[in-house]
Amino acid sequence: QVQLQESGPGLVKPSETLSLTCTVSGGSISTYYLTWIRQPPGKGLEWIGYMYHSGSANYNPSLKSRVTISVDRSKTQFALKLSSVTAADTAVYYCAGEYSKYVGSYYHYYMDVWGKGTTVTVSS
Amino acid sequence: DIQMTQSPSSLSASVGDRVTITCQASQDISNSLNWYQHKPGKAPNVLIYAASSLETGVPSRFSGSGSGTDFTFTISSLQPEDIATYYCQQYDNLPRTFGQGTKLEIK
Repeated sequence: QVQLQESGPGLVKPSETLSLTCTVSGGSISTYYLTWIRQPPGKGLEWIGYMYHSGSANYNPSLKSRVTISVDRSKTQFALKLSSVTAADTAVYYCAGEYSKYVGSYYHYYMDVWGKGTTVTVSS
Repeated sequence: DIQMTQSPSSLSASVGDRVTITCQASQDISNSLNWYQHKPGKAPNVLIYAASSLETGVPSRFSGSGSGTDFTFTISSLQPEDIATYYCQQYDNLPRTFGQGTKLEIK
């Protein structure tokens, strides 16, 4: 059973770059779209983007100019970088694995595995 | 982006009650819809995918229905361990988008 664990600084200064790592254990990530999602205080879930292990990435257009998702060569970690942060980037950040299931001639996609989340506060 | 409108935002019900949550997409998403359960301090957990398919290991009291723009999530008999926030999420298009969530409480 694949397990994910987020890590990184809990406090980031405005205008700096938020950097988080997701460590994968218990299995291979090669079948997943490696995803980052966040939840600002009192708000719902926001999809940040994902990367397939081959290196192709897709980002939320609302964040695209500031976001980079990368995976390390060992494929045991993937990372999120969000530049020029403001207080609006304060949130719980989750890493997740999106899985594709082929059913009835169609592919269906859902977040099959999640980390427990890490809180990041943007403040001076 | 596809907007997902979920209602109600909060719900109080008694153990044994039938609970229903609705989710409306801003455009036709066929059956490309998931439902997640999120308990405080824990990772979210997928319950339903493809609008009505129960994920392996999920109790049969959970169900989903709908297609196109209108979807429903039902708990047939509410149990104390079902206290959580529930989210719908579309995967018809990028970016993936979620409903605002429904916080479910025991009356």
